[in-house]
Amino acid sequence: NAGVTQTPKFRVLKTGQSMTLLCAQDMNHEYMYWYRQDPGMGLRLIHYSVGEGTTAKGEVPDGYNVSRLKKQNFLLGLESAAPSQTSVYFCASSYNILWVTNTEAFFGQGTRLTVV
Amino acid sequence: DAKTTQPTSMDCAEGRAANLPCNHSTISGNEYVYWYRQIHSQGPQYIIHGLKNNETNEMASLIITEDRKSSTLILPHATLRDTAVYYCIVRVEYSGAGSYQLTFGKGTKLSVIP
Repeated sequence: NAGVTQTPKFRVLKTGQSMTLLCAQDMNHEYMYWYRQDPGMGLRLIHYSVGEGTTAKGEVPDGYNVSRLKKQNFLLGLESAAPSQTSVYFCASSYNILWVTNTEAFFGQGTRLTVV
Repeated sequence: DAKTTQPTSMDCAEGRAANLPCNHSTISGNEYVYWYRQIHSQGPQYIIHGLKNNETNEMASLIITEDRKSSTLILPHATLRDTAVYYCIVRVEYSGAGSYQLTFGKGTKLSVIP
C-alpha cells in the first residue's frame, strides 16, 4: 500500500516563482493536512481539509493556498515563493479529524523546498 | 488547552527500556495524549495514544498518571532503529475561536547507543 505520497520530493525555487505540491492518499480518508517543519522545530499546521471540496486555515496559512478537488488529493500552492517559505512540507491524512477523536495520522515522506 | 513539556534529549543503551517522560499539566479531562516519532528526514509515525488508562501496542506502552498531568512512553527493548525524535502531543487552540490542531513541538531526541 502506498499510503500518503508527496510529489515532488525536492524542489528549488527562485523568489517570486510559483509551484504546487501534490499529496495523494489511497486510504479513503476524509481528512487531510499540510504541515511545515523548519530546522530544529516541530511541525506547524498550514491548512487542512475535512472533505472533498472543503479547506480550512491552520496556524500558519499566509502565503499558501490549497485545494481538495478530489477526495484522494490535497494540493498546496505557493503563488509567489519567498525565502521564508524554505522548509520541509509534510502532508498527512486521517480517518477522523485529529484533534477531536482518538485517531492517528498517516504522514507522507515530505517535500524539501528551498527558495533562493 | 494543554501544551507539553519534554526533555530535549535522552540516551538509551541498546536492548534496554527507553522511558520518555512528558508533562501536560493543563490537559483537559476529555483530551487524548498522542505520541509520534520522526526518524531522520522521514515523516512522523504514529506510536500510541491514551486518555486515562495505560495502553500497550506492538510498538510501545503508554503510562498516564492518575491525575493525567504527565505520561511516560516506554519502548521495552530499544534498538538502534528507535533512534528518533519523539513527540508527545495534546490538542492546542490557535486563533482563539475554537480552532484546534495537534501541535508537534520540538520533542525528545532519543539516541539508542550500541
